[in-house]
Amino acid sequence: DVKVTQSSRYLVKRTGEKVFLECVQDMDHENMFWYRQDPGLGLRLIYFSYDVKMKEKGDIPEGYSVSREKKERFSLILESASTNQTSMYLCASSSGGQETQYFGPGTRLLVL
Amino acid sequence: QKEVEQDPGPLSVPEGAIVSLNCTYSNSAFQYFMWYRQYSRKGPELLMYTYSSGNKEDGRFTAQVDKSSKYISLFIRDSQPSDSATYLCAMKGDYKLSFGAGTTVTVRA
Repeated sequence: DVKVTQSSRYLVKRTGEKVFLECVQDMDHENMFWYRQDPGLGLRLIYFSYDVKMKEKGDIPEGYSVSREKKERFSLILESASTNQTSMYLCASSSGGQETQYFGPGTRLLVL
Repeated sequence: QKEVEQDPGPLSVPEGAIVSLNCTYSNSAFQYFMWYRQYSRKGPELLMYTYSSGNKEDGRFTAQVDKSSKYISLFIRDSQPSDSATYLCAMKGDYKLSFGAGTTVTVRA
């Protein structure tokens, strides 16, 4: 079974703090993704990566950056957290030729 | 206009009923269609995947795709309380998935 793990289930941060969200997958998948999920808006793609050290902007990259130094690990960074970044953050991975994505359990981030 | 439209519900049905969920889309480039199930406070899990028009069955679940009408459906037969979750449709054209907003379903015992 594909396993995607995320470093925290719940996080509370203050406005202006730098926030790191970590994601690790154990299936040697080439592609990794970061989404945020908000009520009524569904999942929106923030960034994705199709290889180590490669990254591509998704639909809502503003205020976020990412890092992929190793194939199994994809980090999402909020340089200066703001209250409108309070959300559920979901990491996903997929194999290169695969359409389906496998998701982690999510991190609920609250920015005060 | 959103690429993928999904009625957010909520939908409440008695145990044993048929649940019908729908999504419409506007992008003709979508070729792959998925349904994900998401339990409360969990990540989405893949339920069904199809790439052709027509029906695909998996146990109590049937996924239906009509590319000419840009319309997909998920049917759950003999629904159980354990089917209570949010169901997300997802579609892929080139490199990324586009998701519906999700429909929350409650199956009453």
